[in-house]
Amino acid sequence: GAVVSQHPSRVICKSGTSVKIECRSLDFQATTMFWYRQFPKKSLMLMATSNEGSKATYEQGVEKDKFLINHASLTLSTLTVTSAHPEDSSFYICSAETFGETYEQYFGPGTRLTVT
Amino acid sequence: AQTVTQSQPEMSVQEAETVTLSCTYDTSESNYYLFWYKQPPSRQMILVIRQEAYKQQNATENRFSVNFQKAAKSFSLKISDSQLGDTAMYFCAFMRGSNYQLIWGAGTKLIIKP
Repeated sequence: GAVVSQHPSRVICKSGTSVKIECRSLDFQATTMFWYRQFPKKSLMLMATSNEGSKATYEQGVEKDKFLINHASLTLSTLTVTSAHPEDSSFYICSAETFGETYEQYFGPGTRLTVT
Repeated sequence: AQTVTQSQPEMSVQEAETVTLSCTYDTSESNYYLFWYKQPPSRQMILVIRQEAYKQQNATENRFSVNFQKAAKSFSLKISDSQLGDTAMYFCAFMRGSNYQLIWGAGTKLIIKP
């Protein structure tokens, strides 16, 4: 089956620094990747839709200058949290869409970000 | 706007019992897809079952089956012969056929007791 990896799985950073999270589709090409944020015991909140070679589309209320998304290739999308603050601490999940017959999104294992 | 509602925040059943999780959605779209995802404690999101809106036949995957009532906009998940490994958060999700974005329900925490 299609596999999506995320790196790192956990990261702790100091307030004011930036952190990059990578999302890779390992055995398929992903034209579109999605970035979600999940608060404890809550559902997934879509942050942005990332298309290879073009600018990401951000959901209302998501600061594009704070959450920089780059989809440089068909297998890699990155989310950079700039000038991180404690309120950015969360669980971030990416998914990749194959646009096959099943319209299934394949999810990465998530990244736990803690900002101190 | 599309919405997905899961009215059961938490459910608990004994191992081997059958349990049904409810999900309703609201849309004016005619072409869409519905999904149930499972998120165990590892937090890896796992697809349980999918249903295409244009298909009248209810989807089944081994012990998992859905009751898709299109007119009522209802999409419930039935888990038969529940197992301890079924303990997880279960999310119902709606995908428009046009932009492939998933709209999520709030989730149901399912606990299978030994």
